[in-house]
Amino acid sequence: DAKTTQPNSMESNEEEPVHLPCNHSTISGTDYIHWYRQLPSQGPEYVIHGLTSNVNNRMASLAIAEDRKSSTLILHRATLRDAAVYYCILITSGTYKYIFGTGTRLKVLA
Amino acid sequence: DGGITQSPKYLFRKEGQNVTLSCEQNLNHDAMYWYRQDPGQGLRLIYYSQIVNDFQKGDIAEGYSVSREKKESFPLTVTSAQKNPTAFYLCASSTGTPYPYNEQFFGPGTRLTVL
Repeated sequence: DAKTTQPNSMESNEEEPVHLPCNHSTISGTDYIHWYRQLPSQGPEYVIHGLTSNVNNRMASLAIAEDRKSSTLILHRATLRDAAVYYCILITSGTYKYIFGTGTRLKVLA
Repeated sequence: DGGITQSPKYLFRKEGQNVTLSCEQNLNHDAMYWYRQDPGQGLRLIYYSQIVNDFQKGDIAEGYSVSREKKESFPLTVTSAQKNPTAFYLCASSTGTPYPYNEQFFGPGTRLTVL
């Protein structure tokens, strides 16, 4: 299973943009890049996903490198409610199994 | 509202006792999952079920058992054979067809403490 590498933690000031990086150098052609986040003492929740092209939704944007070996989750204006652990996960088409790493713990400063 | 419920939120048990964690979903999802999370760690897959009356072991199934008699329910039993059962347990569900992928929906979790 392809793995991802993320920084352990990051900090951001409130109302500033946040760029959360993820490296996935062994990604295969059938792997989708998904981002989930986990608020304290809760289950993870879906944020965004992509395959090759950049993606936007109401929560965030996902920028995918041209060679797909890395991606960046962009929160355009961080709020205190965005403080969470963010997981970058590769989902191989046809599999039921997710592999969660330790993610990036985002701290948002007021 | 559709969603996944796990009960109880906190559970305390004595060492050597079996305990069953509840997971119910009304999303009409075919697939259900159980994960374990230890402090500061990511989620690890215990068991998953693609359809009623069928389930597969995940990465850390030893000391756990499951059943899937109904589409809506996927209870997890933590047996006395699990050496270190204290953890945060998360249940998830997804639609049955993983093509091109499955988005998983998670419950709020049960925090199990074995005394």
